[in-house]
Amino acid sequence: QVHLKQWGAGLLKPSETLSLTCAVYGGSFSGDYWSWVRQPPGKGLEWIGEINDSRGSFYNPSLARRVTISVDTSKNQFSLKLTSVTAADMAFYYCATGGTAARLQNWGQGTLVTVSS
Amino acid sequence: DVVMTQSPDSLAVSLGDRATINCKSSQSVLHNGNNMNYLAWFQQKPGQPPKLLIYWATIRESGVPDRFSGSGSGTDFTLTINRLQAEDVAVYYCQQYWSDPPLTFGGGTKVEIK
Repeated sequence: QVHLKQWGAGLLKPSETLSLTCAVYGGSFSGDYWSWVRQPPGKGLEWIGEINDSRGSFYNPSLARRVTISVDTSKNQFSLKLTSVTAADMAFYYCATGGTAARLQNWGQGTLVTVSS
Repeated sequence: DVVMTQSPDSLAVSLGDRATINCKSSQSVLHNGNNMNYLAWFQQKPGQPPKLLIYWATIRESGVPDRFSGSGSGTDFTLTINRLQAEDVAVYYCQQYWSDPPLTFGGGTKVEIK
């Protein structure tokens, strides 16, 4: 059974860089899609991007200039960096993994990121 | 981007009755090569991450009760919850993974008890 645990800073100042990491326990790490999704409180879901060891990384065009997703297969971990945050980036951030059939099969517990000066 | 439109925004259903949620994509998510619809459904309860219910439009994820079913093809899809139970109160989202980037979600449908 796959379990995801995520961590990172939950309070940022405007212009700082958001940094989150997700560890994957159980299952086969190789060949999967590793994704990040965010959700402003009370609102819908927005896909941030994904990385796959054969296809590479893909980002939501709306965030592509500020986003980097990386993976450390030796640790079964992947990370999200989002630069120059503003109040518009305040949201719950979720990591998720899956295969071709279901790209967002397993989810982390979520991290609330607040941006405030 | 493929735009996903869900309807209704919310619905109230009596316990034991059926709930029907619709999802329409702005372009077909049917892959002609493998005849699969790249469409998933998620359930999200308050304070929890989304949970995968259905993938390939009709395949129930392991452990999901059989009162949940998905149907449709191309651009029009439906999530049906038969014999609604109190634990099914949640927001439901459809999501396409045919065209990426970006993967896109519907706006969500809130299911409540009447």
